[in-house]
Amino acid sequence: QKEVEQNSGPLSVPEGAIASLNCTYSDRVSQSFFWYRQYSGKSPELIMSIYSNGDKEDGRFTAQLNKASQYVSLLIRDSQPSDSATYLCAVYSGGGADGLTFGKGTHLIIQP
Amino acid sequence: DTGVSQDPRHKITKRGQNVTFRCDPISEHNRLYWYRQTLGQGPEFLTYFQNEAQLEKSRLLSDRFSAERPKGSFSTLEIQRTEQGDSAMYLCASSFPGQGQPQHFGDGTRLSIL
Repeated sequence: QKEVEQNSGPLSVPEGAIASLNCTYSDRVSQSFFWYRQYSGKSPELIMSIYSNGDKEDGRFTAQLNKASQYVSLLIRDSQPSDSATYLCAVYSGGGADGLTFGKGTHLIIQP
Repeated sequence: DTGVSQDPRHKITKRGQNVTFRCDPISEHNRLYWYRQTLGQGPEFLTYFQNEAQLEKSRLLSDRFSAERPKGSFSTLEIQRTEQGDSAMYLCASSFPGQGQPQHFGDGTRLSIL
């Protein structure tokens, strides 16, 4: 069974600092990796996608992927109170299974 | 691009009743997905369509659940004989064709079973 693991938190980070969110996955053939942000009572919002090993930067967000270690992370630089949310890691494994497998999410709190 | 639209936003019903939800995907997207999310959990995949063809169903999709996308545009998800355990947020997402494309979610339908 495919699994995606995240620390549920809460992860508390001071405003302006770097928030680091981590995710591990069980299926070695996983191909595509996504980070979603979800505010309380709202639906998931796509913030980053990454497909190959290394870093991918988009504004204050950096996604990092290490397929050998089956590990994907999200860094948020210059954290703002508006970044306080649950961050969901999602993995696509292919092979006829086209739904995403999600972790339970990490609850991030940015302290003003 | 008006985003993925879901209706209704909230549904409250008594146990045993049937409910139907609608999803309108982003117009350029031919793939449409249904997920269910309960409190404290990530979304769980239910089923997906490519155009009008339903190509995959999760084992979570019991016989009481049925989804359709008759003309390859909007989709409906029906739950028959609702049970307490069906209370959840039902999320619809859409994507471009091709494996591993990013999926964009609608606002969801929150179902509460009394």
